[in-house]
Amino acid sequence: DAGVTQSPTHLIKTRGQHVTLRCSPISGHKSVSWYQQVLGQGPQFIFQYYEKEERGRGNFPDRFSARQFPNYSSELNVNALLLGDSALYLCASSMPGLAGGFQETQYFGPGTRLLVL
Amino acid sequence: DAKTTQPPSMDCAEGRAANLPCNHSTISGNEYVYWYRQIHSQGPQYIIHGLKNNETNEMASLIITEDRKSSTLILPHATLRDTAVYYCMVITGTASKLTFGTGTRLQVTL
Repeated sequence: DAGVTQSPTHLIKTRGQHVTLRCSPISGHKSVSWYQQVLGQGPQFIFQYYEKEERGRGNFPDRFSARQFPNYSSELNVNALLLGDSALYLCASSMPGLAGGFQETQYFGPGTRLLVL
Repeated sequence: DAKTTQPPSMDCAEGRAANLPCNHSTISGNEYVYWYRQIHSQGPQYIIHGLKNNETNEMASLIITEDRKSSTLILPHATLRDTAVYYCMVITGTASKLTFGTGTRLQVTL
């Protein structure tokens, strides 16, 4: 079975531009989470979506937004890019438990490496 | 979610067992212990998780102390491909996010 896939793998943008990153979850998984990993640090949680609804949001500005589609794939959008947005963007998918979201194991994709110049 | 403490780095000889400790002294009763690892420039990889009992899978074993305040991830026969940053996390049922700390950088050497 295919794992989590992300596109593109690499991207170069300039300050002020916007970017859209895409993620396809593991087949059967209904929840998608997004993380940002700046060089030298651990991944930081941005969003989680379940059944197209936002379930959680990390401490990121409103320039960051996301959505989930009926097929459970997801897009992460970042507007007005800053140099500090340069990072590896990770998507993870999971299958929430019967309780609707508990300790579901998250499986990560390979990430999209974004460089903002 | 409870905070975890891990040593910043460890070395292990290839073929030997790698024992990675994690302290989570403020863990509460409904929090699970999760371990992930991240090989350079790749996405984090799920390894194992547990609540109270020791757990084993094809990748590793997880030993949780009886008071649940610490745990140890054991890679029974480390190989060079196990060189990675290993993250220990505790997660509640109400939390949807993973909170990565700084992890332990495991270097497996010949």
